[in-house]
Amino acid sequence: NAGVTQTPKFRVLKTGQSMTLLCAQDMNHEYMYWYRQDPGMGLRLIHYSVGEGTTAKGEVPDGYNVSRLKKQNFLLGLESAAPSQTSVYFCASSPPRRLSTDTQYFGPGTRLTVL
Amino acid sequence: AQKVTQAQTEISVVEKEDVTLDCVYETRDTTYYLFWYKQPPSGELVFLIRRNSFDEQNEISGRYSWNFQKSTSSFNFTITASQVVDSAVYFCALKASSNTGKLIFGQGTTLQVKP
Repeated sequence: NAGVTQTPKFRVLKTGQSMTLLCAQDMNHEYMYWYRQDPGMGLRLIHYSVGEGTTAKGEVPDGYNVSRLKKQNFLLGLESAAPSQTSVYFCASSPPRRLSTDTQYFGPGTRLTVL
Repeated sequence: AQKVTQAQTEISVVEKEDVTLDCVYETRDTTYYLFWYKQPPSGELVFLIRRNSFDEQNEISGRYSWNFQKSTSSFNFTITASQVVDSAVYFCALKASSNTGKLIFGQGTTLQVKP
């Protein structure tokens, strides 16, 4: 049971390049989330998903797209990276929606630098 | 609007001192959940505690204790006899029942425990 894993752990991009961050969970969690962490700002929600095939915008969705084709995977895409997207990205998942006290469990993070 | 405020940006103590991390939240929901997460220097986010709005009992877990007071909208975290391994960034977070799965994080408090 690996919990929540993220690929890659580190990445450096040039402005305008694209990339996809992969999040995988093996806990059969229904909800999944992508956050970004910037100094002095805590974590902010980018997009989230309440189930396979569904996604929704969070607090800071601009410049990102997501897909949840399989229950265990949640992909975060940057179509044209910008320096403002330099951040640490965290994926999280939480148990099925009937458990309203769901706790979110986080992956190890991906450190992305856009030059 | 929902908001979490951690007014203490950085705290520095000497080992064995007690330290309290403050968390003040805002929500109009009557049902909500509060969380504390720890982020050690290695970067991962570790879940510490969840508390729901109907349970105002204080909780103690080893050297950690939490004081939840609805009257002041606060959920403070105390570490007794701090240790160097407690050095980390600590985040308080809020999940309102009307806010599907979303966690609202405070800005975080960096705790440095010196030997």
